[in-house]
Amino acid sequence: EAQVTQNPRYLITVTGKKLTVTCSQNMNHEYMSWYRQDPGLGLRQIYYSMNVEVTDKGDVPEGYKVSRKEKRNFPLILESPSPNQTSLYFCASSNIIGELFFGEGSRLTVL
Amino acid sequence: DAKTTQPTSMDCAEGRAANLPCNHSTISGNEYVYWYRQIHSQGPQYIIHGLKNNETNEMASLIITEDRKSSTLILPHATLRDTAVYYCIVRGNSGGSNYKLTFGKGTLLTVNP
Repeated sequence: EAQVTQNPRYLITVTGKKLTVTCSQNMNHEYMSWYRQDPGLGLRQIYYSMNVEVTDKGDVPEGYKVSRKEKRNFPLILESPSPNQTSLYFCASSNIIGELFFGEGSRLTVL
Repeated sequence: DAKTTQPTSMDCAEGRAANLPCNHSTISGNEYVYWYRQIHSQGPQYIIHGLKNNETNEMASLIITEDRKSSTLILPHATLRDTAVYYCIVRGNSGGSNYKLTFGKGTLLTVNP
């Protein structure tokens, strides 16, 4: 089954404790992207990747890092999480053109 | 700058057609119009896309104006399960418009019994 898998789905953490949200896709997609969703602000793009070792900033990259060492994986790294990074996060993938496939979301709370 | 603009919310009666508009006045020649929807806090789901011709699939129809500056997503017989936020985006096949994808806030469609 074609899917985008995110982990963890839910996480409560404390300020400053590094965390990684993993994203994996099984569709051999070149393109992957991370979004965050906050009430009243819609979906905002954090980072995206066009292929292995190629990443670029979206609209709200501050406080986040990403890496793309393998085609199927695109982890989102919060080196020093802060409460303003409390959000619902979505990973998505696609071919270079075409529709996006989204993961089920990861709800992160930073205390 | 937002590449698409949509109404914040719309209502529709169950069983009637829901027509959701989207303006994309700065769309360029190689950019497609894509529609997605998000039910509650689930991951957005692809609905349909088109370039210049009208499109139809099992979920919806997409009507794109001749000048391509706006489009309408049509759910022909809306059900309560169609209550969701609907996003319209444009995506090209090269360059920034292919990679940096802005979803915005979408339209909250509420289907009423």
